[in-house]
Amino acid sequence: AQTVTQSQPEMSVQEAETVTLSCTYDTSESDYYLFWYKQPPSRQMILVIRQEAYKQQNATENRFSVNFQKAAKSFSLKISDSQLGDAAMYFCAYRRRSGGGADGLTFGKGTHLIIQP
Amino acid sequence: NAGVTQTPKFRILKIGQSMTLQCAQDMNHNYMYWYRQDPGMGLKLIYYSVGAGITDKGEVPNGYNVSRSTTEDFPLRLELAAPSQTSVYFCASSYGQSRGGNEQFFGPGTRLTVL
Repeated sequence: AQTVTQSQPEMSVQEAETVTLSCTYDTSESDYYLFWYKQPPSRQMILVIRQEAYKQQNATENRFSVNFQKAAKSFSLKISDSQLGDAAMYFCAYRRRSGGGADGLTFGKGTHLIIQP
Repeated sequence: NAGVTQTPKFRILKIGQSMTLQCAQDMNHNYMYWYRQDPGMGLKLIYYSVGAGITDKGEVPNGYNVSRSTTEDFPLRLELAAPSQTSVYFCASSYGQSRGGNEQFFGPGTRLTVL
């Protein structure tokens, strides 16, 4: 079975600075997807960024980018120019490609990101 | 589009009571999911469905039942509620296998407390 590990329960960063959240995973699959979700105090789960394992190029969405190291099974999220609105829980998630996503996502325990004004 | 909607938003149950958490989506998604999120934890899959009439167990199905009679609705039934079922419940949906990436769209969650 696959597992997702987020080793940083909490991270703090000054506004406008850059922060990196770590995620490692374990799987026997060779083809899969990785995701970062943001959960603000409203509880709504918001997709931040997605990476397809067969693509070597790291995904980027505006101020959010990932460092995907397939051999090391590592998938970190970098947030540049941190803003107060980035404060939230961040979850790393995995889904195998086979099965079309029917069996859902596997989540890490989350990292609580604090933005210091 | 309303997206994924869940009712109720909050509920307090007594031990042994039963209830149904409602979930509906208006995006014509084939796949639907139920997750639970315990304090300080990530989401764990309870049940999922790949279409009307087809459901299957996820990682933590004990104490729950589901049905899927239409594409839009995917209710979660709790029988004989126990304190261990105190959690936040999320419903999600996604397109089927034809859509690469299969982004899951989440509802706002239901906070359930069993006393």
